[in-house]
Amino acid sequence: QQPVQSPQAVILREGEDAVINCSSSKALYSVHWYRQKHGEAPVFLMILLKGGEQKGHEKISASFNEKKQQSSLYLTASQLSYSGTYFCGTGLGGGATNKLIFGTGTLLAVQP
Amino acid sequence: GAGVSQSPRYKVAKRGQDVALRCDPISGHVSLFWYQQALGQGPEFLTYFQNEAQLDKSGLPSDRFFAERPEGSVSTLKIQRTQQEDSAVYLCASSFGDMGSYEQYFGPGTRLTVT
Repeated sequence: QQPVQSPQAVILREGEDAVINCSSSKALYSVHWYRQKHGEAPVFLMILLKGGEQKGHEKISASFNEKKQQSSLYLTASQLSYSGTYFCGTGLGGGATNKLIFGTGTLLAVQP
Repeated sequence: GAGVSQSPRYKVAKRGQDVALRCDPISGHVSLFWYQQALGQGPEFLTYFQNEAQLDKSGLPSDRFFAERPEGSVSTLKIQRTQQEDSAVYLCASSFGDMGSYEQYFGPGTRLTVT
């Protein structure tokens, strides 16, 4: 049930681009993306909803393929501050429960 | 404005002790979530409140875990008779709305170590 993320880890040089993928075995209502630095709380990046609505930071872009139950996070012109572990959190539907099921995580390291 | 706060930030408990972890959500946030995060893993859902109502407690690992939010704001997660496998970071998150379309804001977590 836990979404699978790929790659597990990626190393970039400043300015390079990266794509992080999140794949679920269940039909999704929403996909949330978070970045977590070591010892800190997860920080909200982006939310994508069934039907196409998106909310998030201007410099972050993402896609959501409802049919394939997949989402991708696009990091362009990476900066040192992008380093951290990225998690997707999948929501199966609103209403009685709005819990997120978090993925396996992708460790991103940006080097000078 | 203030974010989500949690206390204590660190807690060491001897096996068998009871612990209480506190979460102060962002003012006005309707939804409150508790997650457990093991080292190197993503957060795992424990329980969800909408105002004072506990609508989902499907993630609580055993009946030793109990959560409450009596007035619809501050929440407490209580763990009775702690075991070593309870050692983890406990994260609280709050959300403005009552639908899954709202982002969740996380607190810094409480790191629980059971010895």
